[in-house]
Amino acid sequence: AQKITQTQPGMFVQEKEAVTLDCTYDTSDQSYGLFWYKQPSSGEMIFLIYQGSYDEQNATEGRYSLNFQKARKSANLVISASQLGDSAMYFCAMRRISGGSYIPTFGRGTSLIVHP
Amino acid sequence: EAQVTQNPRYLITVTGKKLTVTCSQNMNHEYMSWYRQDPGLGLRQIYYSMNVEVTDKGDVPEGYKVSRKEKRNFPLILESPSPNQTSLYFCASSFPPDTQYFGPGTRLTVL
Repeated sequence: AQKITQTQPGMFVQEKEAVTLDCTYDTSDQSYGLFWYKQPSSGEMIFLIYQGSYDEQNATEGRYSLNFQKARKSANLVISASQLGDSAMYFCAMRRISGGSYIPTFGRGTSLIVHP
Repeated sequence: EAQVTQNPRYLITVTGKKLTVTCSQNMNHEYMSWYRQDPGLGLRQIYYSMNVEVTDKGDVPEGYKVSRKEKRNFPLILESPSPNQTSLYFCASSFPPDTQYFGPGTRLTVL
């Protein structure tokens, strides 16, 4: 069974500073994908970034980067130069890539508040 | 514009009154799924569909039904809603196992 753990229920960061949101996972699969989603107060789920388990480079998308440490089974999201609009819930998720169910597993989320 | 749409966005209903939440995607995705989101529990998958006429249970299927008669549509049916089904519901689609794209959500209140 897959499991995602986000240990930080809430995080605070000053505007323009960088912040790291933690995500650890547990799986016996060899091929899997890791995702981060942002959920602002309006409720929609916005895809941010994806990392495949066989990708050698850490994924980056603009101000977002995923610090992937396979041996530690961690997939932390790093947001550089935080903006007020980054205040939201952030969810880490994983999904099997090959063979069997594609049911994804989500963490319980981290609430990020960016202060001016 | 590539998108997943859900209707209605907000619904207040009473116990036992059958309802359907529609979901439609225009990206020709094979995989569609329904989630519910409850405070402190994150997202939990209700049902998913790998393709037309192929559906399967997720983690919390009790009290829900789905159908997939067309590739683009994946309605969620609550035959006899109960207050414990009050939640925020999301539909999502993808080419598995790629990134899922979520609809805007449906806030359901069952009185």
